[in-house]
Amino acid sequence: SQTIHQWPATLVQPVGSPLSLECTVEGTSNPNLYWYRQAAGRGLQLLFYSVGIGQISSEVPQNLSASRPQDRQFILSSKKLLLSDSGFYLCAWSVGQGYTGELFFGEGSRLTVL
Amino acid sequence: AQSVTQLDSQVPVFEEAPVELRCNYSSSVSVYLFWYVQYPNQGLQLLLKYLSGSTLVKGINGFEAEFNKSQTSFHLRKPSVHISDTAEYFCAVSETEGYSTLTFGKGTMLLVSP
Repeated sequence: SQTIHQWPATLVQPVGSPLSLECTVEGTSNPNLYWYRQAAGRGLQLLFYSVGIGQISSEVPQNLSASRPQDRQFILSSKKLLLSDSGFYLCAWSVGQGYTGELFFGEGSRLTVL
Repeated sequence: AQSVTQLDSQVPVFEEAPVELRCNYSSSVSVYLFWYVQYPNQGLQLLLKYLSGSTLVKGINGFEAEFNKSQTSFHLRKPSVHISDTAEYFCAVSETEGYSTLTFGKGTMLLVSP
C-alpha cells in the first residue's frame, strides 16, 4: 500500500532563517506531488506541484521554492523566512496515470516563524 | 477555471441530530467532486468522491453526498452525527478534461456537542 511521510512535524524558526520541509512517498511510482499551505481561517492554498522529476509548477509567487530531486521526494525550501510564512504545510500525492484529482495527504508540518 | 463555495464556515449541531454541509461549485466543463475531513493537527482524509455514475455517493463514517448537476451542488449529509465527527470538512473539485489541480473550498467546521 502507498504511504506518505512528511517531516519535521513541528518547527519553530526565527525570521530570516532558512527552511527545509521534506516529503517522501512509498509504494507508488511517478506520482504527482503537491505542497499546500493552510493558514488559520484561510483554507488550503496550493503552493507548488510537480508531475515529474525536476518539473515544478508554482501557483503563488512568494519566497518559497520547491524541488523534486527524486521520483518520490518533494522538498519545500526558503532561504529567508518571513512572519507570514507561518502555517500548516501539507504534502500530498496523486496518481499520474488515470488522474482524477484525488489527493492523498501527509500528516502535515506546523511552522511557526517568530 | 473551477471554484468551490462552502456557504457555512461553522455548523453547530447536537449529537445524534442530522447534518448537511453545503457545497456549490463552478466550472465550464464536467467535474470530479470530493469531500475531505481534517481532524485537528492532522492531514486531510478522503470521505467520499464522485467520479461518474450514480449521483448519490456513500463514503466512510456514514456520510453521503449527492451530486446535483443542475444546481452545481455536492452537499454532504449524515443522518445522525457523533461527537467524534467534530472536524473540518472540505469540498473540492477538479475538471475531467486535461490536467487541473484540485480546488478546495474554504472549509466548514462541524461542531458536535452532547
